[in-house]
Amino acid sequence: AQSVTQLGSHVSVSEGALVLLRCNYSSSVPPYLFWYVQYPNQGLQLLLKYTSAATLVKGINGFEAEFKKSETSFHLTKPSAHMSDAAEYFCAVSKGAAGNKLTFGGGTRVLVKP
Amino acid sequence: DAGVIQSPRHEVTEMGQEVTLRCKPISGHDYLFWYRQTMMRGLELLIYFNNNVPIDDSGMPEDRFSAKMPNASFSTLKIQPSEPRDSAVYFCASSPQGASGNTIYFGEGSWLTVV
Repeated sequence: AQSVTQLGSHVSVSEGALVLLRCNYSSSVPPYLFWYVQYPNQGLQLLLKYTSAATLVKGINGFEAEFKKSETSFHLTKPSAHMSDAAEYFCAVSKGAAGNKLTFGGGTRVLVKP
Repeated sequence: DAGVIQSPRHEVTEMGQEVTLRCKPISGHDYLFWYRQTMMRGLELLIYFNNNVPIDDSGMPEDRFSAKMPNASFSTLKIQPSEPRDSAVYFCASSPQGASGNTIYFGEGSWLTVV
C-alpha cells in the first residue's frame, strides 16, 4: 500500500520568504509523485509532477520539488512567497499501475503575511 | 479545452432526498475518477472508471452511493437517501490513457450540503 504524509497542516510565511512544504511517501514500487494546489472554492490544479526523469522538478508559479529516494521525500519549495500563493497544497502519490489513481496527503494550508 | 465540467456547483438538500451529481470529463480521456473532500477525512477516492467500466469502487462508503458512466462523456454519482454526513465537496476528475503518471485533471467540484 502506498501513503503520503504532509508535515504541518498549516504554514504561515511572510511575503518574500521561502516557502517549504514537506511531503514524505511510502510506496512498495517506484512512485510517481505530484503536487496539487487548491485555491479557495476551486478544484485542484497540478503544480508539478515527478515521473522518474529528473529528480528536481520545476512547476508553475515558481514552485519546484526535489525527489529524494533515500529520504522518501518530495518537498515543495518556492524561493519567494507571493500573496497569491495563499492556498492549500496537496502531495499525492501514484504507484504507476493501471488506473493512475492518486492517494493524497492531508494537505497543507499556506497563509502569506504581508 | 473546457476542462472537466461538474454540475451542480452547489446543492443544498434535505436529509432523505436523492442527490445526483453530474460530470463531463475532458474529451478523449479514458479514466474518470470521483473524489470526496471533507475536513475530517481529506480527499478520498470513491470510484474510478476506465473506458466507462468501473474498475475500483472500494472507496464508495455504503450502498447509498452509486456511480454510473453510460458513455465516454458523462458520469453520475448518486446518493439515495442522503444524510447530513454526506455533506462534502465531490470532485470529478479525468486523465488520458497511456503511460502511468499521467496528470489527473479535476473539475471545480460540487459542494453538497445535506440538512
